[in-house]
Amino acid sequence: GDSVTQMEGPVTLSEEAFLTINCTYTATGYPSLFWYVQYPGEGLQLLLKATKADDKGSNKGFEATYRKETTSFHLEKGSVQVSDSAVYFCALATGGGNKLTFGTGTQLKVEL
Amino acid sequence: GAGVSQSPSNKVTEKGKDVELRCDPISGHTALYWYRQSLGQGLEFLIYFQGNSAPDKSGLPSDRFSAERTGGSVSTLTIQRTQQEDSAVYLCASSPQQGVGEKLFFGSGTQLSVL
Repeated sequence: GDSVTQMEGPVTLSEEAFLTINCTYTATGYPSLFWYVQYPGEGLQLLLKATKADDKGSNKGFEATYRKETTSFHLEKGSVQVSDSAVYFCALATGGGNKLTFGTGTQLKVEL
Repeated sequence: GAGVSQSPSNKVTEKGKDVELRCDPISGHTALYWYRQSLGQGLEFLIYFQGNSAPDKSGLPSDRFSAERTGGSVSTLTIQRTQQEDSAVYLCASSPQQGVGEKLFFGSGTQLSVL
């Protein structure tokens, strides 16, 4: 079945550091790939997505590229801020009603 | 309201009791999803609705779990004879349609604690 594996957290960084959160997937067919973010006390919200191979999703300085050859969708940001502290979830969707399969989430803590 | 609304926000119940969790999706959204977020286990798909019908119930953990949606809007997730392992955050999401790649809008969830 479909699955998503993402790096364990928590990840603790200093402000302005470079961020990478790894995500790899297993899926039948050609999934759409997503990063969702959950800020403290808030609901999950879509951060970015990519729907086909080699697409790059980007939002709020975050980027992720759909790599079919490595089945990966790593999240990157060049300079993190304290306000980026949150839990980040990698997810995929294939056919069948856009049901999302999520990774376990990676908590990011950014310190001054 | 503008977003997905879930109630109650917190529910504490005793083992063996039944509970009902409610979701009000964004007006006009035809697709509605229920997920469960357990500590250390990420988000687990439970069921999704297209309109009032549920094409995929494959994630419901047992026959103690059921859900319905009426009027293409409000949905209720019912857990009968609750067990301690049912303790989790239950999340509802909706989207304008069910196409793959559509953005899901999530509610803030119901924290269920079974004592």
